[in-house]
Amino acid sequence: QVQLVHSGAEVKKPGASVKVSCKASGYTFTTYAMHWVRQAPGQRLEWMGWINTGTGDTKYSQKFQGRVTFTRDTSARTVYMELTSLTSEDTAVYYCVRYETSDTYFDYWGQGTLVTVSS
Amino acid sequence: QSALTQPRSVSGSPGQSVTISCTGTSSDVGGYNYVSWYQQHPGKAPKLMIFGVTKRPSGVPDRFSGSRSGNTASLTISGLQTEDEADYYCCSYAGSYTFVFGGGTKLTVL
Repeated sequence: QVQLVHSGAEVKKPGASVKVSCKASGYTFTTYAMHWVRQAPGQRLEWMGWINTGTGDTKYSQKFQGRVTFTRDTSARTVYMELTSLTSEDTAVYYCVRYETSDTYFDYWGQGTLVTVSS
Repeated sequence: QSALTQPRSVSGSPGQSVTISCTGTSSDVGGYNYVSWYQQHPGKAPKLMIFGVTKRPSGVPDRFSGSRSGNTASLTISGLQTEDEADYYCCSYAGSYTFVFGGGTKLTVL
């Protein structure tokens, strides 16, 4: 079955960077793009962008452009999200989400990684 | 890119029907047949309930249905059950390979 397994929770200081991983299994990794969505405590879902797992091409939300980088390792079936210049407003659960291209929706979600930014 | 507009909360009694609206613009909700809805229980990852405005994935009860009129999409839940109590989010394709979520609606089953 499809599984997306995140790396563990992180605690970072303001100004630092964080890199979250998401390992996929149960399907052909390069067939589906992967999106990243975050959710601050008690807040709404926020779309961050996506990576074409086959080509490595990326698209970022304007809000995060210049501060976020998505990469993938096809041999490890893993995608990564790196966010720099962290502030307390980046405290959130970060989800990797598999994207079904044909009908344009997010069908499988990882369990999420909690990133806490605190001095 | 502004979030799609959803009511903060809705409520209903078991067996009743509720409708959650999701208002965007002609550049997102009204412009593409790519509106999806997600259910999220506390502490859990979201779950797909509706895609392509009106389509239901296998395994989702037919009590859940989607529709759209102009720039407003709607999720209707009929025959409310206690397990339907959750947060619901709409999401729309917004062009140029970007997406936008709604602000979320908390459904309370009284």
